[in-house]
Formats: sequence, structure tokens, C-alpha cells
Amino acid sequence: GENVEQHPSTLSVQEGDSAVIKCTYSDSASNYFPWYKQELGKRPQLIIDIRSNVGEKKDQRIAVTLNKTAKHFSLHITETQPEDSAVYFCAASFTGTASKLTFGTGTRLQVTL
Amino acid sequence: SQTIHQWPATLVQPVGSPLSLECTVEGTSNPNLYWYRQAAGRGLQLLFYSVGIGQISSEVPQNLSASRPQDRQFILSSKKLLLSDSGFYLCAWRKQGAEGYTFGSGTRLTVV
Repeated sequence: GENVEQHPSTLSVQEGDSAVIKCTYSDSASNYFPWYKQELGKRPQLIIDIRSNVGEKKDQRIAVTLNKTAKHFSLHITETQPEDSAVYFCAASFTGTASKLTFGTGTRLQVTL
Repeated sequence: SQTIHQWPATLVQPVGSPLSLECTVEGTSNPNLYWYRQAAGRGLQLLFYSVGIGQISSEVPQNLSASRPQDRQFILSSKKLLLSDSGFYLCAWRKQGAEGYTFGSGTRLTVV
């Protein structure tokens, strides 16, 4: 089955700086890669996703890049703000009947003033 | 619009007691449904998924079971809880043919 590794496990940046979180996946058949943000005690919420036919996608201050050859994808947050502090999860799946998402272990992002 | 309901929000149960967590989805039909567990400070582990009524697939052998008695209802159960069953249980749904999941608000289970 799919295995997703995520780094770093914790990340501390100053407000206004950029943050980058990296993930690698093992199954070359995976073709869908979402990112979720989870605030303390809350449910994970989808913030951005990318499909394997696209190399990069951007939505305001967040962007995701995908390298299919190397089987890794990254989340980039620019101009970080205190409200970006949360745990971020990457995930991967193959779009099919079940489309099971395999999640990374999470990155705790702390944005300091 | 589609919404997902999950209850209860918190639960404290003694070891050896039974468990029943319920999840329902509104505003759609024939969704894919998933149960995930998140241990404290850890990632999300897929426990069960269902692509239709009565169709349950288990990902991890464990002390839990799942059922889907109706199209938009997904139930997670246990006959006898273990301490290791403590965690944050999340139900999620996905529209057939779509890709993104939407999670329910979760149930925080503490087994004492």
C-alpha cells in the first residue's frame, strides 16, 4: 500500500517569513495529493490539493508543487501569519472506487510574532 | 449543501464497555464513507471505509468494527473497549467520483 512521509515534524517561523513542508510518497499510481490544516481540537480542513497532471498550484499565500518523477510534493506558505499556526497533513491517494487517503504524520507549524 | 454530522463530541468510557459512534451525511447520496483514528499528537490512521450500504472494508485488524445500515449512516462499534482505543475518531465522506474528503467534527474518546 501507499506510504507517505512528511518533514519536518515541527516548524517554527517568524511572522512574515515563508514555511515549507515536504512529503514523499511510495506508490507511483497515486494521482491526488491534498493538504489539510488541523487547528487544536478541531477537524482537519482541506486547504489545497493537486493532481498528478499538474506541477504547481497556487491559492493566495499557499502553493503546492509536485514532482512525479521523484515522488514528492511540497506545501509553501508565504507571508506567514499567527493564524497559520496549526498542524498540517499531506496525503496521497489513487482516484478510484475507494480513493483511500493515506496521510503523512503531520507538521506542527508555529508562527511567532 | 452537504453536511456531515458526528456524535457524540466527547466520550469517557471504562475498559471493557461497549462503544457506538455514529456518523451521518446529508445532502448527497451513495457517498464513500471513512473512519479514521488520530492518537494524541499523531497522524490519521484509516480504520474502515465503505463504498455502499453493507459494504465495509477494514484497513487495520483491531478491536473495532463498522457497519453501514443506511446509505448515509456509518457506525463504528466495539464490544469491549481497550485502553489503546483512546483517541480522536473522525468520520469523513467523499462524493462518488470526486477526490477531496470532508471530515466530521470528531469524537474524542477516552478509555479509563
